[in-house]
Amino acid sequence: KNQVEQSPQSLIILEGKNCTLQCNYTVSPFSNLRWYKQDTGRGPVSLTIMTFSENTKSNGRYTATLDADTKQSSLHITASQLSDSASYICVVRDGGSQGNLIFGKGTKLSVKP
Amino acid sequence: EPEVTQTPSHQVTQMGQEVILRCVPISNHLYFYWYRQILGQKVEFLVSFYNNEISEKSEIFDDQFSVERPDGSNFTLKIRSTKLEDSAMYFCASSEGRGRYNEQFFGPGTRLTVL
Repeated sequence: KNQVEQSPQSLIILEGKNCTLQCNYTVSPFSNLRWYKQDTGRGPVSLTIMTFSENTKSNGRYTATLDADTKQSSLHITASQLSDSASYICVVRDGGSQGNLIFGKGTKLSVKP
Repeated sequence: EPEVTQTPSHQVTQMGQEVILRCVPISNHLYFYWYRQILGQKVEFLVSFYNNEISEKSEIFDDQFSVERPDGSNFTLKIRSTKLEDSAMYFCASSEGRGRYNEQFFGPGTRLTVL
């Protein structure tokens, strides 16, 4: 069954610190993987997209990695800011004809001053 | 910057009542989607819509649900007879194309509370 699992479920860090969020997936065939940021009460917003051949992609202070062999991805946030407080959702698109999005449950990040 | 909008932001209804959730997708997008997120759970796919018909629907999207594009701008989700378990956040999304790299842009969601 196609699944996306994320860890940790929640995380509290101090402003300025770095953190890394994890995503494991069992989606097959695989098309691509996106990390989304979801602010409370808002819809998800895409941060990065990674395809099978990409290992690392950065978007400002966000750096995503992908290991297609082990089916793992991570999102590293550098020099966290209070505005980074949100849920971060790993979403894998399957490679089938419909290209469905399979969502992880998200990691709730709280950045404290 | 163009964005997906949804109304209302919060809807409270009695069990058994009909509700219509409204969405205005990004204007040049051709593919439309509804998702739901029960509190504390994952976002789940409900239905996709293209060229005035349903492209795909999930097991959740049973006969109680319907979607419509009544005019050139709105995209609606109707729940005919709401149940307590329909309480969730409902997200509308749209995309320019259906290709694997086409990003789906999500609206802010409608929180549906069924009493």
